[in-house]
Amino acid sequence: KNQVEQSPQSLIILEGKNCTLQCNYTVSPFSNLRWYKQDTGRGPVSLTIMTFSENTKSNGRYTATLDADTKQSSLHITASQLSDSASYICVSRGSASAGNMLTFGGGTRLMVKP
Amino acid sequence: DVKVTQSSRYLVKRTGEKVFLECVQDMDHENMFWYRQDPGLGLRLIYFSYDVKMKEKGDIPEGYSVSREKKERFSLILESASTNQTSMYLCASRSGRGGNEQFFGPGTRLTVL
Repeated sequence: KNQVEQSPQSLIILEGKNCTLQCNYTVSPFSNLRWYKQDTGRGPVSLTIMTFSENTKSNGRYTATLDADTKQSSLHITASQLSDSASYICVSRGSASAGNMLTFGGGTRLMVKP
Repeated sequence: DVKVTQSSRYLVKRTGEKVFLECVQDMDHENMFWYRQDPGLGLRLIYFSYDVKMKEKGDIPEGYSVSREKKERFSLILESASTNQTSMYLCASRSGRGGNEQFFGPGTRLTVL
């Protein structure tokens, strides 16, 4: 069964600090992996997307990495800001032969404190 | 900008009531999706649609139905709401022309008493 596991479930950090969120997936065959940011009371918004051939991708202070061999991804946030407080969701997409279906992780809830 | 709107942000209904959740997208996307989001469970796909009047069951369709009479509108229907359908409901759309990213609406938080 395709699964996406995220850790930690929740995290509290001080403003200005860095943090790393983890995502392990078992989706196979694999097409791509996307990280979403979901602010409280809002729908998820895409941060990055990576295919199996990409190791790292940045979007401002957000840097995602992907290891297709170990089926692991991480999202690193640099110099955190209060506005980074949100849930971060890892989503893996199966290939066309697997129906292009998405498998969502349970999310990591990040709180940045002043 | 892609815009996906949902008819209500918050909704409170009673057990047994029929509930309609409306979703509209303005990007001429072929694909539309309904998810529910519960703490610790992530997003789970209820139904999706690849075209007008076309629908496919997702992972948890029981207790729900959908309607897609127009390309821009995808409705989720709870025929007889139950307390275990209390949840956050998210609508999403995606282009069918090689599109990859799903664009989400703001969500409807439904409480069934």
